[in-house]
Amino acid sequence: DVKVTQSSRYLVKRTGEKVFLECVQDMDHENMFWYRQDPGLGLRLIYFSYDVKMKEKGDIPEGYSVSREKKERFSLILESASTNQTSMYLCASSPSGDTDTQYFGPGTRLTVL
Amino acid sequence: SQELEQSPQSLIVQEGKNLTINCTSSKTLYGLYWYKQKYGEGLIFLMMLQKGGEEKSHEKITAKLDEKKQQSSLHITASQPSHAGIYLCGAHQGAQKLVFGQGTRLTINP
Repeated sequence: DVKVTQSSRYLVKRTGEKVFLECVQDMDHENMFWYRQDPGLGLRLIYFSYDVKMKEKGDIPEGYSVSREKKERFSLILESASTNQTSMYLCASSPSGDTDTQYFGPGTRLTVL
Repeated sequence: SQELEQSPQSLIVQEGKNLTINCTSSKTLYGLYWYKQKYGEGLIFLMMLQKGGEEKSHEKITAKLDEKKQQSSLHITASQPSHAGIYLCGAHQGAQKLVFGQGTRLTINP
């Protein structure tokens, strides 16, 4: 079974802090994704990566950056957290094909005070 | 860009009853995914449909993609409390990227 894990289920940070969200997958998938999920807005893609050290902006990249130094790990970075970044963050991975299924982690609920 | 609209937004049914959730696209679908999400958790992959007229089943859940490939339905037969959660449809928008519907919140009353 595909396993996607996220470093924290719940996280509380203060405005202005630098926040790291980590995602690890164990299926040697090429593609990895970061989404945020908000009531009424659904899932929105922040960034994705199709290879090590490669990244592409999604629909809402502002205020975020990412890092993919190893194939299995994809990090989402909030350089200076703000209250409007309070959200549920979901990581996903998929094989290299354009229409391959994405498998999701359990999510990290981030609260920025 | 492609948009997916799900209906209804929420659904409350009596245990044992059948139900249907719909997902409609503004464009032709080239890969339609159904996921389930328990409240506060990640998404669990249910099924993927690609061909017009395709139908897949998993336990008591059946998903169909219409011939024109612009609408999909998810049907649950004899609903159980374990079916409760949020159901999301997703479709490919360009290479690798998925766009999602708003989700349908399903509540099963005993």
